[in-house]
Parts: sequence; C-alpha cells; structure tokens
Amino acid sequence: AQKVTQAQTEISVVEKEDVTLDCVYETRDTTYYLFWYKQPPSGELVFLIRRNSFDEQNEISGRYSWNFQKSTSSFNFTITASQVVDSAVYFCALSPLSGGYNKLIFGAGTRLAVHP
Amino acid sequence: DSGVTQTPKHLITATGQRVTLRCSPRSGDLSVYWYQQSLDQGLQFLIQYYNGEERAKGNILERFSAQQFPDLHSELNLSSLELGDSALYFCASSALSSYNEQFFGPGTRLTVL
Repeated sequence: AQKVTQAQTEISVVEKEDVTLDCVYETRDTTYYLFWYKQPPSGELVFLIRRNSFDEQNEISGRYSWNFQKSTSSFNFTITASQVVDSAVYFCALSPLSGGYNKLIFGAGTRLAVHP
Repeated sequence: DSGVTQTPKHLITATGQRVTLRCSPRSGDLSVYWYQQSLDQGLQFLIQYYNGEERAKGNILERFSAQQFPDLHSELNLSSLELGDSALYFCASSALSSYNEQFFGPGTRLTVL
C-alpha cells in the first residue's frame, strides 16, 4: 500500500519556538519522491521541497529543515524560531515510481498555529 | 503566485447540475493534474494529462471527466452533482510527466446546494 501518515492533527506553539512536523510514509517502491506543501489560510498550496529516495542528506532552507530517514520511512519537517506567518496546514506527500506517473499521495495534513 | 490559474474561484450550484472548471498551467508546463480537497477525504488525486493525453487516473468518479486542449489548458467537467461533491478543486502543473514538483493553482471552491 502507498500511504502517508501525519499523526499530528494540530500543533500550537508560541512564536520563536521550534516545531517539528512528523511524516511517515509507506511504499514498496525503491524509487520515489517525497514532498512538503504549505496551505496558508488563503487556501493555495505552496511547494516547499522535493526529495528523492536516494538522497538522504538533510536539507536546510532558512528557518526550514528536513530530515529524511529511509530506515524509519520518515520525512520530518522542522521550523526553527517559528513566526506567526508560519501558521498554515502542512502536507507531506509521496510520489511512488510504480506506474511511472507523478500523482501525489497526500497525508491528512498538520495544522500549525503560531501564537504571538 | 504559482503561475497556474483557475477559474472560477467560487461556484455555487444545485444538485443534479453540471459545471466546468478551467485551468491554465504555468507557461511551458506540459502536465496538468486535478485534485479534490474535501473535509472527509482530504487531498485526493483525480487525473493527470500530459500534452493532451490522459496519463493517470486516480479516484475520479464516472460522473467526472477532464480534457487537456492543444493550448495545454485543461477543463474538469463535473456532472449530476451531489452534495458530497462540494469541495475545493485544485489544478496543478509540472514541466514533465514524472517526478517534478507540481505547482498548484488557487483552487475552485464548489458548493453544491
């Protein structure tokens, strides 16, 4: 089965706190891509990162960092020194190789609320 | 702004009706995808087109159909609408057929009364 689990439904933090959003995926494919998208209150989906299954290097982009661990099938997302503008729903998604297509399988999302 | 446009932004209609949602991909992108976001089902892939041809199908109902035109814009047709079809419908585009990041449009919010 191809599946993405985001166990945290909602997280509430105070500004400047660090927060980690968990993502666990299931796939039998050895080649796949993982993504994170942000959905702010305005509703659009904003692409944040793409990672392929052969690249387990962690990535940092400003206050955002991602930790990919194939051994635990996890692709976690950390926001350092959170800000009110980070308040949004964050989706983790999987794109497996089987079928050769690019469909995204999304998790249920984690709603992050950052309070001043 | 992702460069993907969708019209209309909002649509309110009645059960049994038929509607058409329109999407224009980013300049140069050949692939178009449709997704449905609802409270009970979450974000679900519906269908993908690549350069005018259907490439992949997901959880798309038989009452729904889509096409991609020679100018690469796409339309999603929803017919015999039911209350449960109320959702946010997203279009996304990517450069190629596989494994590129998908850029999403602002969505069309469909309300079926």
